Amino acid sequence: DQQVKQNSPSLSVQEGRISILNCDYTNSMFDYFLWYKKYPAEGPTFLISISSIKDKNEDGRFTVFLNKSAKHLSLHIVPSQPGDSAVYFCAARLTTSGTYKYIFGTGTRLKVLA
Amino acid sequence: DVKVTQSSRYLVKRTGEKVFLECVQDMDHENMFWYRQDPGLGLRLIYFSYDVKMKEKGDIPEGYSVSREKKERFSLILESASTNQTSMYLCASSLSRRGKETQYFGPGTRLLVL
Repeated sequence: DQQVKQNSPSLSVQEGRISILNCDYTNSMFDYFLWYKKYPAEGPTFLISISSIKDKNEDGRFTVFLNKSAKHLSLHIVPSQPGDSAVYFCAARLTTSGTYKYIFGTGTRLKVLA
Repeated sequence: DVKVTQSSRYLVKRTGEKVFLECVQDMDHENMFWYRQDPGLGLRLIYFSYDVKMKEKGDIPEGYSVSREKKERFSLILESASTNQTSMYLCASSLSRRGKETQYFGPGTRLLVL
């Protein structure tokens, strides 16, 4: 049962436009959400995160929005650049008995066209 | 700068062989994780550890075991490799501290089991 879902396997966007990547989750106990970017043959690198008590977090060109009632988060990249082309993973953290566990979505491949 | 290193980038093994994947982090992180990444399935958690000699099963522990004898090192063991364990294996570490929820990933080990 996929607790974190990224329903769009791929997305193409023109350079300079906005990229919006979406993520849905089912477990209301998740306390933290993160976005990672992954290039081929490399490990994922952290991009931006948001606590479950917030609804927006911004870092430069990247903004993450959290809608708890809809159990939905999105990553906005403005403006999109060719170097942003990568696979983006959404992850959610579950804290149980003092230990942390992260659950990842299946990823969305973003292609930014020059 | 956090560094997570994995012993091999590429490995080719035969069915039935015992395989050791090593992961070392240099930032004194309490938590360490092993994932596998497969197309269309995202990152799936195999095992994680929140302290030396402690281990917890993730979502897909079957066919794997782990060892954490020292804080900086977390080993993944395939007792008898099978072809369905061909995958990209990713190690990660994180702190157990509020505001430091990010996981840091190694570069990955691409394992091919023949």
